[in-house]
Amino acid sequence: LAKTTQPPSMEAYEGQEVNVSCSHTNIATSEYIYWYRQVPHQGPQFIIQGYKDYVVNEVASLFISADRKLSTLSLPWVSLRDAAVYYCIVTDILLSGSFNKLTFGAGTRLAVCP
Amino acid sequence: EAAVTQSPRNKVTVTGGNVTLSCRQTNSHNYMYWYRQDTGHGLRLIHYSYGAGNLQIGDVPDGYKATRTTQEDFFLLLELASPSQTSLYFCASSDPTGDSYEQYFGPGTRLTVL
Repeated sequence: LAKTTQPPSMEAYEGQEVNVSCSHTNIATSEYIYWYRQVPHQGPQFIIQGYKDYVVNEVASLFISADRKLSTLSLPWVSLRDAAVYYCIVTDILLSGSFNKLTFGAGTRLAVCP
Repeated sequence: EAAVTQSPRNKVTVTGGNVTLSCRQTNSHNYMYWYRQDTGHGLRLIHYSYGAGNLQIGDVPDGYKATRTTQEDFFLLLELASPSQTSLYFCASSDPTGDSYEQYFGPGTRLTVL
């Protein structure tokens, strides 16, 4: 299974765009990339998933490098509500079948200043 | 939107005590999971289930039992609680169809074992 590396913390001001990077140098061809976030006193919440190239939804966008060893989660116009821990997770769905095992690391703690 | 509820939200017990944590999901998801979250370890998978009557062992199962009584209900049992099981426990559910493997998390149960 691929191991992920993220910066432990980041800081931004309200209204800024924030890019959270994640390195997964040993990612296998059958592995997908997921991003979750967790605000204090709540469970993790799914943000976005991708396999390659560029993915966008109403919350964020995800850019994955051509060799798939690096992904970047982009949050446009962050607000105080975006202060959370952001987790990058790589998981092999094909091997595990329908079992979606998520291994959470320490994540990136994003602080948002007014 | 998927709904996962947990009860109790907070629990204090003594060493050797018997504790049951409850989880209910109302979206007919097949998969349900129990995680624990501790500082420095991220979330770790204890047990999971892919249907009523089914139970699978996760990564940190020692000291825990679980039971899936219905598709909606998944229980985590600590029959002889120890201080090392003081943690924040999350339940999650998922229904992997197509390309979506999103897990929906409950609000968590904070357990303290004195």
